[in-house]
Amino acid sequence: EDQVTQSPEALRLQEGESSSLNCSYTVSGLRGLFWYRQDPGKGPEFLFTLYSAGEEKEKERLKATLTKKESFLHITAPKPEDSATYLCAVQGTTSGTYKYIFGTGTRLKVLA
Amino acid sequence: DTGVSQDPRHKITKRGQNVTFRCDPISEHNRLYWYRQTLGQGPEFLTYFQNEAQLEKSRLLSDRFSAERPKGSFSTLEIQRTEQGDSAMYLCASSLAGFDYEQYFGPGTRLTVT
Repeated sequence: EDQVTQSPEALRLQEGESSSLNCSYTVSGLRGLFWYRQDPGKGPEFLFTLYSAGEEKEKERLKATLTKKESFLHITAPKPEDSATYLCAVQGTTSGTYKYIFGTGTRLKVLA
Repeated sequence: DTGVSQDPRHKITKRGQNVTFRCDPISEHNRLYWYRQTLGQGPEFLTYFQNEAQLEKSRLLSDRFSAERPKGSFSTLEIQRTEQGDSAMYLCASSLAGFDYEQYFGPGTRLTVT
């Protein structure tokens, strides 16, 4: 069964203090790994798609990387507006179709 | 380009009542998905449509839940005889066809069953 585990559950950073969020996954036949940002009371906002080990994507202060077992979301010099829950999801061949399997997320708080 | 929209944004209902939610996907997207999210959890897949055909339903989707997408455009999710355990955020997402296309989510409908 496809599974996604995210760590840590919560993270508090000072503004400018860089860190990484982890997403470990078990899937038979990875079609894609997806990162989303979710603000309280809102729907997830798409950030990145990664398809194969070694792939990297960047957007402003965020950089996502992928290995065969895990993905990292690196946050460089974060600002308070980066505070949100970051969700990781996978889409695999054993899922059968196109549904995503999500992790429980990492709640990030960046302090000014 | 308008995003995915959902209506209503909030719904409070009494146990045993029926509720219906609506989702309008991004106009050119032919795939539409429903997820449910409870506090502190990631979204859980419920069902998805390709055009008007419902192609997969999760075991989470009990007989009290039904979804439709009559003309391959908007979709509705109905919950009959609501229970307190149905309280959650119901999220709709849409995408283009194919495995290379990411899903875009709407703002969600927050359901509270009292």
